Amino acid sequence: DAGVIQSPRHEVTEMGQEVTLRCKPISGHNSLFWYRQTMMRGLELLIYFNNNVPIDDSGMPEDRFSAKMPNASFSTLKIQPSEPRDSAVYFCASTPGGYEQYFGPGTRLTVT
Amino acid sequence: QKEVEQNSGPLSVPEGAIASLNCTYSDRGSQSFFWYRQYSGKSPELIMFIYSNGDKEDGRFTAQLNKASQYVSLLIRDSQPSDSATYLCAVSRQAGTALIFGKGTTLSVSS
Repeated sequence: DAGVIQSPRHEVTEMGQEVTLRCKPISGHNSLFWYRQTMMRGLELLIYFNNNVPIDDSGMPEDRFSAKMPNASFSTLKIQPSEPRDSAVYFCASTPGGYEQYFGPGTRLTVT
Repeated sequence: QKEVEQNSGPLSVPEGAIASLNCTYSDRGSQSFFWYRQYSGKSPELIMFIYSNGDKEDGRFTAQLNKASQYVSLLIRDSQPSDSATYLCAVSRQAGTALIFGKGTTLSVSS
């Protein structure tokens, strides 16, 4: 299996620009999670989906962040407009419905 | 607020020694407990999980859980330089729901 796939791996953008991060979960996994990791706050949940439906978005920082999962094999996390404090590594993870989650390689976002 | 606490370290041990990593959690409703290893610049990698009180062994790794004390630990026997990484403790209430992570303990194994 290819594992969780994320793109892009690195993104550098200027403040105010729109950023879209993409994730393809492991085939057959029915839950998908978006996490953000910073030195200050560690690894934090942003939002997760079960069977393509958003279940918990309480970790989404503010209205500038939005996430979608149009089908079982694709999800996006969008930031519009981006700010320097959004700089972090964004991870996508999936699970087949059990407890164990498998992480993608992450997207390192830098907002200047 | 649900929290998972870990000593940030660094924890330094010589090659061949036992490394002991500890974690406490605040949510008594937590059902499952995980240890992830994260190398610098890489994604978290699941190495152990435990659901029941007691010990669970997998190769050089042993996870220990004490729900009454809300305490989880990871022992690494015969530590190797390749074990040098950050170890993240995580807990979950239900299957398929989000993990709550600690900030991690950095382990350094010297040869």
